[in-house]
Amino acid sequence: AQSVTQPDIHITVSEGASLELRCNYSYGATPYLFWYVQSPGQGLQLLLKYFSGDTLVQGIKGFEAEFKRSQSSFNLRKPSVHWSDAAEYFCALRQNSGYSTLTFGKGTMLLVSP
Amino acid sequence: NAGVTQTPKFQVLKTGQSMTLQCAQDMNHNSMYWYRQDPGMGLRLIYYSASEGTTDKGEVPNGYNVSRLNKREFSLRLESAAPSQTSVYFCASSERIAGATDTQYFGPGTRLTVL
Repeated sequence: AQSVTQPDIHITVSEGASLELRCNYSYGATPYLFWYVQSPGQGLQLLLKYFSGDTLVQGIKGFEAEFKRSQSSFNLRKPSVHWSDAAEYFCALRQNSGYSTLTFGKGTMLLVSP
Repeated sequence: NAGVTQTPKFQVLKTGQSMTLQCAQDMNHNSMYWYRQDPGMGLRLIYYSASEGTTDKGEVPNGYNVSRLNKREFSLRLESAAPSQTSVYFCASSERIAGATDTQYFGPGTRLTVL
């Protein structure tokens, strides 16, 4: 069965510092991978997605993620965090063939300190 | 273009009461989904509808029913609410569930409390 692990429940980063949120997956082939962000009291917004091709994916709001097959990882990065980035971040996976729904990680809450 | 809309935004029920959560999308998507979100659990799929006229169970379907009313609308019904169903419910839609590059888009959520 496929699964997604986000090892960090909470992360605190100073404003202006760089950010990396970790995501590891378990799946027998190359999956489709997604990062979503959820601001307090809001729904989920898609940040970026990986389907194939270039393993470094650019998203909205200055975020990027790198797919590393050898490490079964899809970590999210941002070079300089803004206070408005404080939110919960979810990594998700779906199978790359046939009929498939999303499997989500449990989320990482990002806190931004002044 | 409103995307995915959900009603109501908030609801408080007593144990045993019933209610229906409504979801509509205006993106002409074929597939629609209902998730619940609980602290520390991420999002878990309750039911989904791959296309108009079809529905299937997800990871946590017990205590829920769904209706795909037409291509735009997908409702979730709690027949006899229980405190364990206190959660935030999200509806999502996507162009087609089996698409190679399919992406889901989410509504703003319904916050349900069952006393």
